[in-house]
Amino acid sequence: QQQVKQSPQSLIVQKGGISIINCAYENTAFDYFPWYQQFPGKGPALLIAIRPDVSEKKEGRFTISFNKSAKQFSLHIMDSQPGDSATYFCAASGRNYGQNFVFGPGTRLSVLP
Amino acid sequence: DAGVTQSPTHLIKTRGQQVTLRCSPKSGHDTVSWYQQALGQGPQFIFQYYEEEERQRGNFPDRFSGHQFPNYSSELNVNALLLGDSALYLCASSLGARTGELFFGEGSRLTVL
Repeated sequence: QQQVKQSPQSLIVQKGGISIINCAYENTAFDYFPWYQQFPGKGPALLIAIRPDVSEKKEGRFTISFNKSAKQFSLHIMDSQPGDSATYFCAASGRNYGQNFVFGPGTRLSVLP
Repeated sequence: DAGVTQSPTHLIKTRGQQVTLRCSPKSGHDTVSWYQQALGQGPQFIFQYYEEEERQRGNFPDRFSGHQFPNYSSELNVNALLLGDSALYLCASSLGARTGELFFGEGSRLTVL
């Protein structure tokens, strides 16, 4: 129940294309869903986050879509660029969890020039 | 504005030894948590410190212990090192102990031989 499932494990997209990464959770106590971007040798950096009171949140080229009934959320990267090549992690936490975030296993994105 | 800083960046230990990792939170932050990231996996929550007390703990044995100092900096101690403890150890900080945006450091890469 504490797991966050993430797919695909790896993704190759052409420059300018749309990258889509999907996550699913089981714990209905989760109410905060961030996405993190990690480059090799660096720590994860927050990209965008959503709470379940909205179904979509957009920041620049990054959009989170959230489906509360299905307990799923996804990250869309529009106009993907080679500089977006990194590993992306979805995560989930809840009001009583503090900084205890459950992370997905990650998706390695490669954007071809 | 200094971000989360961790030291050392890399270290090598042998089985059975003890290690101490250090973290300074982002300026203005008062809550620190530690995560273990094995190669090719998502970060796993170890524990969280707020007001110099451990507030949340993940599924890690007592060999993993920590401390938070009055200046909000923190240490992670691991005793009786095992080969499986080899990982990237990430420190994250936030303002307040409730769920919200986490800022990660670049991590300390521990190799146990």
